[in-house]
Amino acid sequence: DSGVTQTPKHLITATGQRVTLRCSPRSGDLSVYWYQQSLDQGLQFLIQYYNGEERAKGNILERFSAQQFPDLHSELNLSSLELGDSALYFCASSVEWSLAGAVEQFFGPGTRLTVL
Amino acid sequence: AQKVTQAQTEISVVEKEDVTLDCVYETRDTTYYLFWYKQPPSGELVFLIRRNSFDEQNEISGRYSWNFQKSTSSFNFTITASQVVDSAVYFCALSDQPGLYNQGGKLIFGQGTELSVKP
Repeated sequence: DSGVTQTPKHLITATGQRVTLRCSPRSGDLSVYWYQQSLDQGLQFLIQYYNGEERAKGNILERFSAQQFPDLHSELNLSSLELGDSALYFCASSVEWSLAGAVEQFFGPGTRLTVL
Repeated sequence: AQKVTQAQTEISVVEKEDVTLDCVYETRDTTYYLFWYKQPPSGELVFLIRRNSFDEQNEISGRYSWNFQKSTSSFNFTITASQVVDSAVYFCALSDQPGLYNQGGKLIFGQGTELSVKP
């Protein structure tokens, strides 16, 4: 158990709909990262938050947005869903950067999104 | 641009065999970080190791060992005396140096190598 929690575990919805995925980082971790894992694209970085502020963006569609709340949990909002959005969405958290440089990210169990 | 290549898509071995998973990376950064993650059939991603670019020492942890060679931009992973429980998809990943405001540090993953260990 990594200590990162994600809900829901599975989500089935229809095209055009909007969903919200939730992530709670490990206790003490300030950074939250979102990744998408799909068969054709592999594991791709979407967006990073640090202590409530957006810090980096990857290949995140405009239909997707995220935020990190004062209690450090994060939500990823996916709207106008398309069939191609079906994927496993991971949240990861890490401690803040230190003089040691990048630190390992610990991943949640993922949310499997199926768009029908 | 940064890139990670895991040329082996699938590997199948028999229990107790040694197996090496290859990872080749590309980056223009002088400081970078390399990782290995394991994704068992249950789907979660499990952290295995982090290696800094300025530390070329190889590492051994039980049956696992890692060989980092900057000269060939490779960070290979060897499992000695493989077991059925080692069956999983293994990902190699690359990260840049995070900024002073904790921006960056995103992981760039290879396509993964699916290891199947048969009894």
